[in-house]
Amino acid sequence: DGGITQSPKYLFRKEGQNVTLSCEQNLNHDAMYWYRQDPGQGLRLIYYSQIVNDFQKGDIAEGYSVSREKKESFPLTVTSAQKNPTAFYLCASSLGQGEAEKLFFGSGTQLSVL
Amino acid sequence: GQNIDQPTEMTATEGAIVQINCTYQTSGFNGLFWYQQHAGEAPTFLSYNVLDGLEEKGRFSSFLSRSKGYSYLLLKELQMKDSASYLCAEKDSNYQLIWGAGTKLIIKP
Repeated sequence: DGGITQSPKYLFRKEGQNVTLSCEQNLNHDAMYWYRQDPGQGLRLIYYSQIVNDFQKGDIAEGYSVSREKKESFPLTVTSAQKNPTAFYLCASSLGQGEAEKLFFGSGTQLSVL
Repeated sequence: GQNIDQPTEMTATEGAIVQINCTYQTSGFNGLFWYQQHAGEAPTFLSYNVLDGLEEKGRFSSFLSRSKGYSYLLLKELQMKDSASYLCAEKDSNYQLIWGAGTKLIIKP
């Protein structure tokens, strides 16, 4: 079955620590995205990638980094520079970025600070 | 700026009909999406509208009025499993999605 897999489901970060969230898709999609979801707010775009070895900052990229070395994988690193990292993180992919392209989401990672 | 507004929470009865509204303000428009999200899970695609009018898909329908910057999601014959958050998202002139905060729908027996 095709889909997007995020891991881990729950993650705890200590002060000053970098953590990496995994996102893998086998849908053969070109575009991949990372969103942050906080209670009472809409999804906010952190980074996105339209093609391998290329990615762009979203609205809230500060304190985060990504890589896109393979089409299937788009890991997100939450660095120690991100002072308020507690949130639900969603990875998504789409075939392209055309107007009608719908997103397919992973099941999310809940990140908390110890 | 760009702003998507939808009610924070709604309550409805099993078997009834509910309409969830969404308004948007943008200088560029490339479509309006609705997603369903159960608590702690992935959002899943429900509908896409780019032209004015009603799109029906089983128990769910979605309506768009571009001149009014308005959309609604209509859910008929409500079931307990429809208890979820419903996210409205507009695709802007840069083909990026602008998301509303979501409407939490509570279904009572």
